[in-house]
Amino acid sequence: DQQVKQNSPSLSVQEGRISILNCDYTNSMFDYFLWYKKYPAEGPTFLISISSIKDKNEDGRFTVFLNKSAKHLSLHIVPSQPGDSAVYFCAASSQGGSEKLVFGKGTKLTVNP
Amino acid sequence: DSGVTQTPKHLITATGQRVTLRCSPRSGDLSVYWYQQSLDQGLQFLIQYYNGEERAKGNILERFSAQQFPDLHSELNLSSLELGDSALYFCASSVGTGHNYEQYFGPGTRLTVT
Repeated sequence: DQQVKQNSPSLSVQEGRISILNCDYTNSMFDYFLWYKKYPAEGPTFLISISSIKDKNEDGRFTVFLNKSAKHLSLHIVPSQPGDSAVYFCAASSQGGSEKLVFGKGTKLTVNP
Repeated sequence: DSGVTQTPKHLITATGQRVTLRCSPRSGDLSVYWYQQSLDQGLQFLIQYYNGEERAKGNILERFSAQQFPDLHSELNLSSLELGDSALYFCASSVGTGHNYEQYFGPGTRLTVT
């Protein structure tokens, strides 16, 4: 039973355009959501997070949107750069339980020059 | 460089064998997490230790065990290895325990069971 789903295994965009990565979750107990970026041969790196009390969080070129009613979050990257090419993982956790992160399977983003 | 180190980087072993993966957390981090990434799966949480004590358990098989030592480094022991245990094993660390503490990941250990 996959509680965090990233339905697009891959996404290709042109440099300078917007990249939108999507994530759906099923567990209504999740109240904290994160995006990690992973380059080959490296571990995941934290990118941005959002608490369930917010619907948007912005950090430079990266914005995460949360739609609790739809159990959906998205990561927007504007403008996209070739260095953003990586695998992006969506993750979620719930307070009151453990601090374990539940990850999606990832979306491979390719930004073409 | 996240500051989390994992050894070895690669490990090739045979079915039925036992291996130990090692993780050194970032300086000052008390919490250590272990994750498994198989070919067709996302990262799966295995277990968490905080300041030497087991804090949370995920989908960890009984053949697997872990511990965190007084110097805060951690080891993940995998025994009676099966082909399906071939995966990337990541260690992560964080300052505290709490779901809004950022977890810093090491580069992983790639285990191949033949």
